[in-house]
Amino acid sequence: QKEVEQDPGPLSVPEGAIVSLNCTYSNSAFQYFMWYRQYSRKGPELLMYTYSSGNKEDGRFTAQVDKSSKYISLFIRDSQPSDSATYLCAMSSPDTGRRALTFGSGTRLQVQP
Amino acid sequence: KAGVTQTPRYLIKTRGQQVTLSCSPISGHRSVSWYQQTPGQGLQFLFEYFSETQRNKGNFPGRFSGRQFSNSRSEMNVSTLELGDSALYLCASSLGTIASTDTQYFGPGTRLTVL
Repeated sequence: QKEVEQDPGPLSVPEGAIVSLNCTYSNSAFQYFMWYRQYSRKGPELLMYTYSSGNKEDGRFTAQVDKSSKYISLFIRDSQPSDSATYLCAMSSPDTGRRALTFGSGTRLQVQP
Repeated sequence: KAGVTQTPRYLIKTRGQQVTLSCSPISGHRSVSWYQQTPGQGLQFLFEYFSETQRNKGNFPGRFSGRQFSNSRSEMNVSTLELGDSALYLCASSLGTIASTDTQYFGPGTRLTVL
């Protein structure tokens, strides 16, 4: 079983829809949680970062971390065709090095105009 | 502010050869991490360098090595290339501080093909 599980999709939604992306993890030592967006043949781009538990909002994006359930989410409001990409969750712990990120496999999102 | 740059962007090598990839971090960033991305295994952490010292290492064989220079630029070397080393190699930089807000920013990657 992988340390971080993420549904690979693809997830297809109409423009303007609310998108929910999720990851579950097994390592309770994870403290740092990130969401990256990766367009085809490009490097990952940092979208959201959360330390420990809680919610964080930035524009159309909201990240949630529930450490008791070992579950993190990313919500995208008013989705746009330009949001079509692969979304990767990533996390790390102070024990093994906060920059030694463990990634989910990525969810491919397609927003239909 | 310029982002993370990686050179070369594309590389084709044959089995048994060795290869060196280069990464220039964002100005002021002192930590450089390397990752391998393949369709089968996804993104996997290779190692992190900070102030010219390897600070962390992932679960990869010794054929994968790296170094960091005094200007924070980093190189990654893979010796005795195998077909399975074909991947996108990504470099990420960060300030390297203990601040909880310090996060990593990725470069565009070097796509290595081993024939």
